[in-house]
Amino acid sequence: GEEVAQTPKHLVRGEGQKAKLYCAPIKGHSYVFWYQQVLKNEFKFLISFQNENVFDETGMPKERFSAKCLPNSPCSLEIQATKLEDSAVYFCASSQSGGDEQFFGPGTRLTVL
Amino acid sequence: KQEVTQIPAALSVPEGENLVLNCSFTDSAIYNLQWFRQDPGKGLTSLLLIQSSQREQTSGRLNASLDKSSGRSTLYIAASQPGDSATYLCAVRGVNQGGKLIFGQGTELSVKP
Repeated sequence: GEEVAQTPKHLVRGEGQKAKLYCAPIKGHSYVFWYQQVLKNEFKFLISFQNENVFDETGMPKERFSAKCLPNSPCSLEIQATKLEDSAVYFCASSQSGGDEQFFGPGTRLTVL
Repeated sequence: KQEVTQIPAALSVPEGENLVLNCSFTDSAIYNLQWFRQDPGKGLTSLLLIQSSQREQTSGRLNASLDKSSGRSTLYIAASQPGDSATYLCAVRGVNQGGKLIFGQGTELSVKP
């Protein structure tokens, strides 16, 4: 597609439940990035992929967070056993190459109660 | 560690004014710098991308400059309009940092009719 698509738009989970977020990058883009916006304007990088391969996972809290980008499927970000502090907006971005302009999706707002 | 700072945090101007938003970064080893706009509850819209070898980029009423050696970028908005009201974010991609973007805290702009 011409835009980065993210689903769902909103997700509400009880503490300890699992959350799974999806991202479809722009067609033809090889790189996918996940960011977390916790406070109003505080963006934190989580993980990036080059096609289905992890490119950079230095921002991932590995204990409970995992992510995949499989061929012919949307990329996914999964949080096992969610905590209150996981409440945030999760953005996915894609780019043609690792250094190109990044285009962002509309985000998924995760609320953990 | 790269840090990105934006000044001012908030700005309110009357319609028609020209204005400048500032962004500074601590590590001049960058590949590029990207300016974004974020409307409340929405995703990020890419405004301009400046490569490290460039001094400025222009799009319509927007002009972004980059002085890599001093670690500064400015976003100039000409003849501001109420529709320009949004949060403006700058983000840098560092050398040897994968493709991830490091974001500033943003400038919240309000243009009054």
